[in-house]
Amino acid sequence: RKEVEQDPGPFNVPEGATVAFNCTYSNSASQSFFWYRQDCRKEPKLLMSVYSSGNEDGRFTAQLNRASQYISLLIRDSKLSDSATYLCVVNVNGGFKTIFGAGTRLFVKA
Amino acid sequence: GAGVSQSPSNKVTEKGKDVELRCDPISGHTALYWYRQSLGQGLEFLIYFQGNSAPDKSGLPSDRFSAERTGGSVSTLTIQRTQQEDSAVYLCASSLNGATDTQYFGPGTRLTVL
Repeated sequence: RKEVEQDPGPFNVPEGATVAFNCTYSNSASQSFFWYRQDCRKEPKLLMSVYSSGNEDGRFTAQLNRASQYISLLIRDSKLSDSATYLCVVNVNGGFKTIFGAGTRLFVKA
Repeated sequence: GAGVSQSPSNKVTEKGKDVELRCDPISGHTALYWYRQSLGQGLEFLIYFQGNSAPDKSGLPSDRFSAERTGGSVSTLTIQRTQQEDSAVYLCASSLNGATDTQYFGPGTRLTVL
């Protein structure tokens, strides 16, 4: 079983749609959690950190469920510019190791 | 300010040759990470430095891979006796203090082993 698993997609949605991505992780001792975004042939960039209390940044909402070892990302009112690969990221081993999920590809269509 | 830089941006080598990849982190960042990304795949963690020391080297794929960091700044990833399966984009990232901080990525080095 992979340490971090994501639905690879692709998700094809129209502009304005709400889309949700899920991620599960296997190491119950995982300490910190993030969503990164990667555009085609570009380096990953932080989208947002994920906290147990949940956090929101504009159209983006991230949730963490430690009991279920589950992380989610909700994108509301999708824009064309949201088209990218979304990477679920978990720090394990006392923070010494960072595990990236394989990513979920999103295409937003006009 | 300057971001993470990596050199070379592209490297083509022949099977069996050694290669050295360089990463210059953001000034003042104590943590540095190496990953590799094969075509169409996710990022594979290789190694993490806190200062000059690497607490976890278990991500290095084989003993042909080694990495060092000097002066708490520049890091080099060395691949000896390259194989075709080593072909990938090698990404370096740095963060201010460690794992809970944002990682800022360099543009990567695209390695092609013929």
